[in-house]
Amino acid sequence: EAGVVQSPRYKIIEKKQPVAFWCNPISGHNTLYWYLQNLGQGPELLIRYENEEAVDDSQLPKDRFSAERLKGVDSTLKIQPAELGDSAVYLCASSHDRGSYEQYFGPGTRLTVT
Amino acid sequence: GQNIDQPTEMTATEGAIVQINCTYQTSGFNGLFWYQQHAGEAPTFLSYNVLDGLEEKGRFSSFLSRSKGYSYLLLKELQMKDSASYLCAVSGYSTLTFGKGTMLLVSP
Repeated sequence: EAGVVQSPRYKIIEKKQPVAFWCNPISGHNTLYWYLQNLGQGPELLIRYENEEAVDDSQLPKDRFSAERLKGVDSTLKIQPAELGDSAVYLCASSHDRGSYEQYFGPGTRLTVT
Repeated sequence: GQNIDQPTEMTATEGAIVQINCTYQTSGFNGLFWYQQHAGEAPTFLSYNVLDGLEEKGRFSSFLSRSKGYSYLLLKELQMKDSASYLCAVSGYSTLTFGKGTMLLVSP
């Protein structure tokens, strides 16, 4: 069984540029999560999807961040414009459903904003 | 809200036993998780506790006391490959909140 797939693995951009990250969850997993992880910190939830519906986006900085999961499968997270403080690892995770006790994480996208 | 505390760093010797503690204060509780994260890699699931007591899985065990808001991860027969960050995470009403992680360094 394939795991959670994310691309790109690494991205370097200049500040004020846009950037997008892609995630394909494990087949059959209805719940998809985007996390942000700074160095030496634990992952922090940005947004959670149940199928195609964003059910928790309270921590998503909506002035510059957006996300979509149009068909309830893969998802895209976008930042426009990027700021220096956005440099971090962006992790995608999925679980079978909201009640599932285990989340499976992708390898993450390491973003560097210069 | 959620507040999760765990030590920042720990060191131990190969073959030894180490206990990583986690205390939490949450507005809802549906279970406590431990994840392992090697540098530059994604977190991987280690254990899940929802009832009080000890859950054993090979060299790793996890304990939970809901009344005390306390958990620990016990690693036995430490190996060099156990050097990693160990994340305590609490499941609330709908989300998983992670602690900052404990960096464990295993030395020969």
